[in-house]
Amino acid sequence: NAGVTQTPKFQVLKTGQSMTLQCAQDMNHEYMSWYRQDPGMGLRLIHYSVGAGITDQGEVPNGYNVSRSTTEDFPLRLLSAAPSQTSVYFCASSYGRGETQYFGPGTRLLVL
Amino acid sequence: AQTVTQSQPEMSVQEAETVTLSCTYDTSESDYYLFWYKQPPSRQMILVIRQEAYKQQNATENRFSVNFQKAAKSFSLKISDSQLGDAAMYFCAYHTNAGKSTFGDGTTLTVKP
Repeated sequence: NAGVTQTPKFQVLKTGQSMTLQCAQDMNHEYMSWYRQDPGMGLRLIHYSVGAGITDQGEVPNGYNVSRSTTEDFPLRLLSAAPSQTSVYFCASSYGRGETQYFGPGTRLLVL
Repeated sequence: AQTVTQSQPEMSVQEAETVTLSCTYDTSESDYYLFWYKQPPSRQMILVIRQEAYKQQNATENRFSVNFQKAAKSFSLKISDSQLGDAAMYFCAYHTNAGKSTFGDGTTLTVKP
């Protein structure tokens, strides 16, 4: 099992550009989440999904879109990048509610 | 909305000694889950220990144990016989039944040889 994979590992964007961060898991997990981690801080929930076709907003959803068309994939779209979105982004998945989350290695995003 | 507070930004411990990391949370729910995750310099988040709120017994995992006080909304992590490999940032996290998670800001643990 590859676990949770994220691509790219590092990305530089200019203000106003759009991009999609990819996340995939091969553990047949129902729950998936996207977080951002700013320097010296904890993880903040952006969006999450409890199954294919079901998504909901987290704590900091503005400027981001998600969709969940398959159990395996949960892409995060930045609509119009802003310097405030410079962060490390983590994707996580879990088998069900209250279960341990398994995290991807993260994507470092720099918006100039 | 749930909040998670880790009041110790940094802690240090001598190798082989015991250290306790603090975590408090605020919630109006009765059923939830609490976690401690570890983030070493590699940035990979790793589960340390998990506690179900409806269970009164404190979770234990080898050298790691928790002191879960539901009424006080407190969930501290005790690391016994600290090892150099325990050096990392530790995050306390609260998970709801609906699938939402809230993390604290973390405690950086230094282990001195």
